[in-house]
Amino acid sequence: EIVLTQSPGTLSLSPGERATLSCRASRSLSSSYLAWYQQKPGQAPRLLIYGTSTRATGIPDRFSGSGSGPDFTLTISRLEPEDFAVYYCQQYGSSPQTFGQGTKVEIK
Amino acid sequence: QVQLVQSGAEVKKPGASVKVSCKASGYAFTNYYIHWVRQAPGQGLEWMGIIDPSGGGSSYEQKFQGRVTMTRDTSTSTVSMELSSLRSDDTAVYYCARGLSGTYSGDAFDVWGQGPMVTVSS
Repeated sequence: EIVLTQSPGTLSLSPGERATLSCRASRSLSSSYLAWYQQKPGQAPRLLIYGTSTRATGIPDRFSGSGSGPDFTLTISRLEPEDFAVYYCQQYGSSPQTFGQGTKVEIK
Repeated sequence: QVQLVQSGAEVKKPGASVKVSCKASGYAFTNYYIHWVRQAPGQGLEWMGIIDPSGGGSSYEQKFQGRVTMTRDTSTSTVSMELSSLRSDDTAVYYCARGLSGTYSGDAFDVWGQGPMVTVSS
């Protein structure tokens, strides 16, 4: 199975700053089937990005995704107070689909 | 609105079984696959399997083979996941989630249930 490694484990930033989250696959993804989710405490994950770079319905344009091969990035251009959460990447192009271990974005 | 509403929290003893239900509303139930994903306390997300609400076919992650059964009831737009021979490390939140694109082999998940906690403890 493909292992996804997210870095950093924790990102400490202030509102208004730019956040760059990394997701590296144990082998190159043969397709663009990479998604990103946001999860807040006590809530279900929320789909942000699918197909590497397509924003899900209702997701603001400060969230963007990019990457190819084994390396993918989620960028939050300017952090809003509601963006402090845990973020997970998921690959769904190879069975079984797998998730990264998460990156926590916390208020500095 | 589109939503998945799951059954409530459960406490089970080791060796028992648990059945979690997931009722869909606001969309055509048979048009989207439903996946099950679990999350142990303080841990990440783990995909368990998929069910086709239309034909009822299912596929499970290898580590759950033989212990998990996913079913659907089209009359109530409900899918269910039963996990047997429970162990303490099955303690987790169990989510149902709708596949976005209708790809059976893998998909992003655009709608999630609220996820009940299943606690396995003697």
